[in-house]
Amino acid sequence: DTAVSQTPKYLVTQMGNDKSIKCEQNLGHDTMYWYKQDSKKFLKIMFSYNNKELIINETVPNRFSPKSPDKAHLNLHINSLELGDSAVYFCASTNTGLSNTIYFGEGSWLTVV
Amino acid sequence: GQSLEQPSEVTAVEGAIVQINCTYQTSGFYGLSWYQQHDGGAPTFLSYNGLDGLEETGRFSSFLSRSDSYGYLLLQELQMKDSASYFCALHNRLAFGKGNQVVVIP
Repeated sequence: DTAVSQTPKYLVTQMGNDKSIKCEQNLGHDTMYWYKQDSKKFLKIMFSYNNKELIINETVPNRFSPKSPDKAHLNLHINSLELGDSAVYFCASTNTGLSNTIYFGEGSWLTVV
Repeated sequence: GQSLEQPSEVTAVEGAIVQINCTYQTSGFYGLSWYQQHDGGAPTFLSYNGLDGLEETGRFSSFLSRSDSYGYLLLQELQMKDSASYFCALHNRLAFGKGNQVVVIP
């Protein structure tokens, strides 16, 4: 069973389009994250949700909007895609205070052309 | 703010020992974690240090000195499958280091 699953795994799209990446975790965790990893492998946090509430919102363009319908899901919607948005986006989850471990999804490889 | 510094790349032969260092700056400290990431894969948890000292998990060990804001990951008896990037991360999960690429050669 996949603990943290995200779809799609690969996405190629044109500049200006709007796209979404979905994430679900079946671990019963209360906190979920979105990370962006660029071509230099720098892993940077974008958002963090705890029990559906936004708790971390790093300096990310307004074109990126996370949505958490319940604590098992955290989706990422991106408007007006730009070339610089090309990266791997990782969803992750953990149980705050109960675990030292973040569990990552397999990543979504976004290429904007 | 928070930041972590790691050197970028190291090449070593099978059976060797590699130490990956991490220095950090943070206003609140809750521990240092280490993650492994193979090319094309997701980061996976390796080790955590909340207190000073050495934590051993099989061939991998991690060390922390809070007074020096410094930690390291020690990879022993290197195997080809250990070729990957290794990240240190502040336990509050906000900040990861830039990662250290380890290449193991025969």
